[in-house]
Amino acid sequence: AQKITQTQPGMFVQEKEAVTLDCTYDTSDQSYGLFWYKQPSSGEMIFLIYQGSYDEQNATEGRYSLNFQKARKSANLVISASQLGDSAMYFCAMSSIYNQGGKLIFGQGTELSVKP
Amino acid sequence: DGGITQSPKYLFRKEGQNVTLSCEQNLNHDAMYWYRQDPGQGLRLIYYSQIVNDFQKGDIAEGYSVSREKKESFPLTVTSAQKNPTAFYLCASSIVPGGGEQFFGPGTRLTVL
Repeated sequence: AQKITQTQPGMFVQEKEAVTLDCTYDTSDQSYGLFWYKQPSSGEMIFLIYQGSYDEQNATEGRYSLNFQKARKSANLVISASQLGDSAMYFCAMSSIYNQGGKLIFGQGTELSVKP
Repeated sequence: DGGITQSPKYLFRKEGQNVTLSCEQNLNHDAMYWYRQDPGQGLRLIYYSQIVNDFQKGDIAEGYSVSREKKESFPLTVTSAQKNPTAFYLCASSIVPGGGEQFFGPGTRLTVL
């Protein structure tokens, strides 16, 4: 069975500093995707970044980068130069085309608070 | 602008009533999904559809029903058989099943009175 584990229920970071949100995953599939989503208090799920299991380079999207360590089955999100607007819940997720039409499997989330 | 719309944003239901949540997308995506989110938790899959006129049960389908008569529409009915329907419901779509990013709608918050 596929599983996502986020071990940090809450994190604090000072504005303009970098922060790493942890994510480990478990799957027996060879082909899968890893995602990070941001959920502000409004509730919408905002896509941040994607890493395919066969991608050799770590994904980057602006201030977001995904530290992909396949052997350790980890997919940590790094946010550089934190901003007050980054305060939100962050979810790590994975999908596989072999699993229920590519459904997303989510972790429990990490609540990030950015301090001024 | 392309995207996913969900309506209503807030919905109140009396016990014993069926209610239908709307989900529409103009992204020309084949795959659509319904997820449920309970407070402090991640999302869980209710139903998914990989193509028009076809849909499959997800992990928590009991008490829910869907239809996919048009590519752009994937409504979810919460029936009276759903024991604990109060939750936040999110609809999503992707270009093809398992095809990378899923785009989400703004969600519907359902409360049973």
